[in-house]
Amino acid sequence: AQSVTQLDSQVPVFEEAPVELRCNYSSSVSVYLFWYVQYPNQGLQLLLKYLSGSTLVESINGFEAEFNKSQTSFHLRKPSVHISDTAEYFCAVRYFGNEKLTFGTGTRLTIIP
Amino acid sequence: GAVVSQHPSWVICKSGTSVKIECRSLDFQATTMFWYRQFPKQSLMLMATSNEGSKATYEQGVEKDKFLINHASLTLSTLTVTSAHPEDSSFYICSASGRGSYEQYFGPGTRLTVT
Repeated sequence: AQSVTQLDSQVPVFEEAPVELRCNYSSSVSVYLFWYVQYPNQGLQLLLKYLSGSTLVESINGFEAEFNKSQTSFHLRKPSVHISDTAEYFCAVRYFGNEKLTFGTGTRLTIIP
Repeated sequence: GAVVSQHPSWVICKSGTSVKIECRSLDFQATTMFWYRQFPKQSLMLMATSNEGSKATYEQGVEKDKFLINHASLTLSTLTVTSAHPEDSSFYICSASGRGSYEQYFGPGTRLTVT
């Protein structure tokens, strides 16, 4: 069965410290990978995506994620977090030939002042 | 570009009544729309996938007679929760995808509270 694992349900981090949110997926086929951010009582906003090409993708607000095919991972990183990064982060995978997104269970990132 | 709206953003209804939620793609043609349900502090659960002009495909365990989905045009899909009960209270989120697109664009969500 296709699945996405976000091992960390909650990650507290001090402001200006680095952070990594982990995402692994089960796959025997090619995938498209996404990270979404959700602020309280809001919908999902696309943070970044991997479709093809360079395995390192970046967002406009300093996040980056690296597609690692051998480890079936797509971890999200930021070298220095800000209070405004406090939110829920969802990793999602779309498998080739399937229009559906499979979501991880989410990681709540809390920034400590 | 790629903006999806939902209306209403929140709704409170009495048990036994029906509620309709609209999902619109504002600046693109959405050949496929998806409806999700999200419980507090949990991930999104796909309820159904709808393609314009055809019947929705429901996920296992989702009652199609209770959650009526209509995708009558390339910019509008509706979800009607029929005979709502308190256990239907949840955050409902739609997303839309254009022809040949790899991405889904999400609406802001609708919070439904059934009293």
